[in-house]
Amino acid sequence: QQQVKQSPQSLIVQKGGIPIINCAYENTAFDYFPWYQQFPGKGPALLIAIRPDVSEKKEGRFTISFNKSAKQFSLHIMDSQPGDSATYFCAASMGRSGNTPLVFGKGTRLSVIA
Amino acid sequence: DTAVSQTPKYLVTQMGNDKSIKCEQNLGHDTMYWYKQDSKKFLKIMFSYNNKELIINETVPNRFSPKSPDKAHLNLHINSLELGDSAVYFCASSQVTGRYEQYFGPGTRLTVT
Repeated sequence: QQQVKQSPQSLIVQKGGIPIINCAYENTAFDYFPWYQQFPGKGPALLIAIRPDVSEKKEGRFTISFNKSAKQFSLHIMDSQPGDSATYFCAASMGRSGNTPLVFGKGTRLSVIA
Repeated sequence: DTAVSQTPKYLVTQMGNDKSIKCEQNLGHDTMYWYKQDSKKFLKIMFSYNNKELIINETVPNRFSPKSPDKAHLNLHINSLELGDSAVYFCASSQVTGRYEQYFGPGTRLTVT
């Protein structure tokens, strides 16, 4: 049973476009929602994260939108660049401590073409 | 300085062999994890250790045994390797309290022939 569903599986945008990646979760006990970026041959790196008490968070060109009632959250990348080409994973975890593992979506392969 | 390091980066071995992957973190974190990334890039938790104690053991064959000699190290030993064990294995670490970010190592690509 997949607890975090991510779409699309792959995405191609032009440089300067705004790719949007969507995730939906089932478990209402989740209270921490990070996004990870992974380049080929590298480990996932934390990009940005949000908690359910806010509806939006921005860090640089990356924005998370969060809809608690719909149990959905999404990543927007403003002014996308070829260097943003990577695989993006949404994730979720639960509990009030940091020792719970992440449940990952299946990933979105983003290609930004010049 | 590398925050979470793993050795080796690549591991090629034959079916039936026993192998180990080592992980070290220099972040002072309390909790360490092993994740498996399959050929379709799906990441799934295998084990979680907090202060050298196993706290999560997902449905993983008992051929896989994690060992934590101290808070900064979490090694993964795999017995009787099978073809289906081929994957990329990632170690990660996080704090128990405060900021919950998990930091991942560079991964170990295991190929079983």
